Amino acid sequence: DIQMTQSPSSLSAYVGDRVTITCRASQGISNYLAWFQQKPGKAPKSLIYGASNLQSGVPSKFSGSGSGTDFTLTISSLQPEDFATYYCQQYNTYPFTFGGGTKVEIK
Amino acid sequence: DVQLVDSGGGLVQPGGSLRLSCAASGFTFSNFRMSWVRQAPGKGLECVATIKQDGGEKFYVDSVKGRFTISRDNAKNSLFLQMNSLRAEDTAVYYCARGGAFEIWGQGTMVTVSS
Repeated sequence: DIQMTQSPSSLSAYVGDRVTITCRASQGISNYLAWFQQKPGKAPKSLIYGASNLQSGVPSKFSGSGSGTDFTLTISSLQPEDFATYYCQQYNTYPFTFGGGTKVEIK
Repeated sequence: DVQLVDSGGGLVQPGGSLRLSCAASGFTFSNFRMSWVRQAPGKGLECVATIKQDGGEKFYVDSVKGRFTISRDNAKNSLFLQMNSLRAEDTAVYYCARGGAFEIWGQGTMVTVSS
């Protein structure tokens, strides 16, 4: 199975900060990479697919980049509603696999 | 509205069985591969099974192979997960999700395996 490694596992940031989360695949996955946001007690919400394509309705402060094995999710200006846990996921090879998550907390 | 509604969770004893269902609406269900994703309490996400559009190919994570079976009924816009020989470590919220990039999720249904 493809292993997805996210870093950091948690971070503290101020409102207005620019935040970057990285995701590394154990083998090449082209651009078959998605990012999700999850808040406590809720289902995950899709943010980005195809490594860099924003889902409909997702604000442009979220952006994704990368291809092959190394990917990033950037939040340009962190707002109170962005404090959550973020996951990456590869859908290049079965079984689909997730990173361990990055919890973004308020500093 | 595009929607997935999960159901069928509950409390079951170790070694028992449970069948989860996911009802789809608002889109052409037969056009999409579908998956079941679980999340144990306080843990991350794990895709346990995926089924292709016509149901002809199915994929499982190693930990559920031989115990779980994913299936679908395209005429009824429904996805299923038959779970047998359940273990304590199968305790989780189970979500159905659409597509390879999981662009749509159900609300989740809780499965608790305990004596």
